[in-house]
Amino acid sequence: GAGVSQTPSNKVTEKGKYVELRCDPISGHTALYWYRQSLGQGPEFLIYFQGTGAADDSGLPNDRFFAVRPEGSVSTLKIQRTERGDSAVYLCASRRSGGSYEQYFGPGTRLTVT
Amino acid sequence: DQQVKQNSPSLSVQEGRISILNCDYTNSMFDYFLWYKKYPAEGPTFLISISSIKDKNEDGRFTVFLNKSAKHLSLHIVPSQPGDSAVYFCAAATSGTYKYIFGTGTRLKVLA
Repeated sequence: GAGVSQTPSNKVTEKGKYVELRCDPISGHTALYWYRQSLGQGPEFLIYFQGTGAADDSGLPNDRFFAVRPEGSVSTLKIQRTERGDSAVYLCASRRSGGSYEQYFGPGTRLTVT
Repeated sequence: DQQVKQNSPSLSVQEGRISILNCDYTNSMFDYFLWYKKYPAEGPTFLISISSIKDKNEDGRFTVFLNKSAKHLSLHIVPSQPGDSAVYFCAAATSGTYKYIFGTGTRLKVLA
C-alpha cells in the first residue's frame, strides 16, 4: 500500500514569500502530524490533527504558520512571510487511531528560504 | 527545555557486536516510548516501542529497555549489521495525548 507522501520534495523560496507544503497520509489514518527538523536536531512537533480538527497546535512557532485538513485526509502546512530561519525539513506523519502509537512518516519537504 | 535527550551524537560499532543507544527523559508524565531509524533523505521509520508498564520489549535483533526510576531507556541491537547504519531517534509521549517529543538523535555507524 502507499505510504505517506509529501509534495514538493524540495522548495526554494525568497524571504517574505508564501509557501504551501502538502501531505497525503496513509488511507484510513485519522491522525496526522506536522514536524520540523533542523540540521542536527530531532523532529520538532508543530501540530497534530485528529480528523479535520487540530487536536494540538501548541508547536506552531508563531502566527505565520497555519495548517488545514479540511476533509480529514490531505493536509496543507502554510507559511506566510517566510524567514530564513524557517529553512528546515518539514515532515508529515500519520497514525491509525484506536490506541496505536506508531507513526508513519513521509520523506519530508526540504524548504530553503533565501 | 529538552525533555528527551540523546547525549551521544554518534556511535561506531564493529559488525556483529552489540550497539547500545541511550535516551534520557525529564518529564515523569511520559509513559510511552518509541525508537525510530532514519536514513538520509528519508523520513524516520518506526522500529520498536515500549509502554511504561513494561521494562523490556524485544523484536528480533532489537530490544528496548526502560528504567522508569532513572528516566532512562536504551535500544540494543544484536548483532549489529552494516545496514543498521543510520540516525536513531527516541521519542516519548504521554498516553492519551499522542503528542511526541523527539530526542536529537544518535548517528550509528556499523563497521564491516
